[in-house]
Amino acid sequence: QLQLQESGPGLVKSSETLSLTCTVSGDSMNSTYYYWGWIRQPPGKGLEWIGSISYSGSTHCNPSLKSRVTIAVDTSKSHFSLKLTSVTATDTALYYCVRHLRGTCYIDSWGQGTLITVPS
Amino acid sequence: QSVLTQPPSASGTPGQRVTISCSGSSSNIGSNTLNWYQQLPGTAPKLLIYSNHQRPSGVPDRFSGSKSGTSASLAISGLQAEDEAHYYCAAWDDSLNGPLFGGGTKLTVL
Repeated sequence: QLQLQESGPGLVKSSETLSLTCTVSGDSMNSTYYYWGWIRQPPGKGLEWIGSISYSGSTHCNPSLKSRVTIAVDTSKSHFSLKLTSVTATDTALYYCVRHLRGTCYIDSWGQGTLITVPS
Repeated sequence: QSVLTQPPSASGTPGQRVTISCSGSSSNIGSNTLNWYQQLPGTAPKLLIYSNHQRPSGVPDRFSGSKSGTSASLAISGLQAEDEAHYYCAAWDDSLNGPLFGGGTKLTVL
């Protein structure tokens, strides 16, 4: 069974770069059918798609965040990563890594989420 | 469009039928299939309905979905206390080139 696990610092200072890693276990990342993505949820609020990457490295990012986002994949280590630069308090959120079918929002697997706080 | 439109709250008593609406546009619901996610308190969302009306294995048939044009709805019949959760609709958005979520509906079982 596929499992996703986020890891990150918990606390990031304003204007610095947030770095998260998602470790994938239980299935291969090498599939043309799936993309690996990041979704965040500010406290008490809804879900926002950040971006996604294929196993071959093709990326799609939310235009509202695109200038600050880098997503990378390393299938040999079964993980993918997110970097978000110049963070502010508005980037405080629960960050989830997910797997979804290519070109759809069929998300069949979620990590447990990791809370990232950016003090104001 | 930044989000799909859902009512912020809904409620019902045990055994009742409740519906939650989701409204979008031609670039998302109007041209792509609609999924629903259930988020129980303190947990990650879980796929509840996909392709407008399909249920993944293990989801009770009390949950049903429908779509018409640029709107969709989730119906929960025989409401149970364990259904108290947040519900999110989601559709691929062709302008965003990614998933677009509704703002979420908090369902309270009275």
